[in-house]
Amino acid sequence: GEDVEQSLFLSVREGDSSVINCTYTDSSSTYLYWYKQEPGAGLQLLTYIFSNMDMKQDQRLTVLLNKKDKHLSLRIADTQTGDSAIYFCAESGYGGATNKLIFGTGTLLAVQP
Amino acid sequence: ETGVTQTPRHLVMGMTNKKSLKCEQHLGHNAMYWYKQSAKKPLELMFVYNFKEQTENNSVPSRFSPECPNSSHLFLHLHTLQPEDSALYLCASSQEVTQYGYTFGSGTRLTVV
Repeated sequence: GEDVEQSLFLSVREGDSSVINCTYTDSSSTYLYWYKQEPGAGLQLLTYIFSNMDMKQDQRLTVLLNKKDKHLSLRIADTQTGDSAIYFCAESGYGGATNKLIFGTGTLLAVQP
Repeated sequence: ETGVTQTPRHLVMGMTNKKSLKCEQHLGHNAMYWYKQSAKKPLELMFVYNFKEQTENNSVPSRFSPECPNSSHLFLHLHTLQPEDSALYLCASSQEVTQYGYTFGSGTRLTVV
């Protein structure tokens, strides 16, 4: 079955860049997503990338997709303390049916002032 | 406010109680989902509804009973729960087929005592 894996924890200093990595197994995924969860809140969609793209940039966020290696990354430039949260990678599962998302375990990003 | 509202935000219940979680969206979405989020575990998809019809039940114990009276409302009825059912229960909605992923509610923090 589909599987999405992420490292559990990342610590960076304020102002540095953060890179959160994700690997997935479903090569037929149509879209891949990054969600952010702040304490006590639900998941908030940050950005998504279509599977035929290699890169997508949105202000401080850069998503890189290596479809051959099934590797997705999220780079946050100039990381701020407000970026401290859990970041979830997700893929659309089951042959590209985009209403079925499979989530990773989440990466806790801790930003040190 | 994301457009998906969950009530209550917090719930403490005994193992013999019966309670219900409510989720409401007015985004015009036609698919709704229940997820369970436990510490140190991936998000677990519990139920999927498309156009009010249940299309997925991921081997969820019968002590969890979903109800979707219309495309805007989703309930999760709880009875005779176990302490290991304590978790954050997240509701989400989406269009049936979309590149925009899901919109999540803030969740209900459930504690079973």
